[in-house]
Amino acid sequence: RKEVEQDPGPFNVPEGATVAFNCTYSNSASQSFFWYRQDCRKEPKLLMSVYSSGNEDGRFTAQLNRASQYISLLIRDSKLSDSATYLCVVTWRIGSYIPTFGRGTSLIVHP
Amino acid sequence: ETGVTQTPRHLVMGMTNKKSLKCEQHLGHNAMYWYKQSAKKPLELMFVYSLEERVENNSVPSRFSPECPNSSHLFLHLHTLQPEDSALYLCASSQVLGGKNTGELFFGEGSRLTVL
Repeated sequence: RKEVEQDPGPFNVPEGATVAFNCTYSNSASQSFFWYRQDCRKEPKLLMSVYSSGNEDGRFTAQLNRASQYISLLIRDSKLSDSATYLCVVTWRIGSYIPTFGRGTSLIVHP
Repeated sequence: ETGVTQTPRHLVMGMTNKKSLKCEQHLGHNAMYWYKQSAKKPLELMFVYSLEERVENNSVPSRFSPECPNSSHLFLHLHTLQPEDSALYLCASSQVLGGKNTGELFFGEGSRLTVL
């Protein structure tokens, strides 16, 4: 069983649309949760952390459901510049804290 | 200038060569990582150096050997690689406080490796 699972997509949406991604994780002892963004042929960069109470940053909202072991990312009013791969990251402890990535969900926003 | 610098950016090597990838972070972080990114696969953690402790993914073949001489520098030594090792190798750093990773990984731009 994969440790962090994401639907690879692609999600193809028009500008202005609302789109949501989910990510499930297998380790119930997971400690921290994040969404990263990776543009084509670029390195991943942190988009936002995910907190148990849910959190929002502008058009982006992240939610965590520990009972069901999934996290979500909602993007409202999609922009062309949102086109990228969104990576779910879950951290658990094996001695040190180990960040583990999902394979990413591809988003394409078209005019 | 990025906080994490990787060299070389591109490397082509034969299966009998020995080469090294270098990573340097200028962020004052105390943890460094090597990840492998292959097409259509998730980023695969290879090695972690955190607070002088090394954690390694047991599935990484011994033809990859890391070296971390200090908290700012990380190397990945490569020898007798196979064509399936061709991938993007990403270095990252983060800050660990009280044994807990604060979360954000800062990545270098990666070293794209091709093994012929």
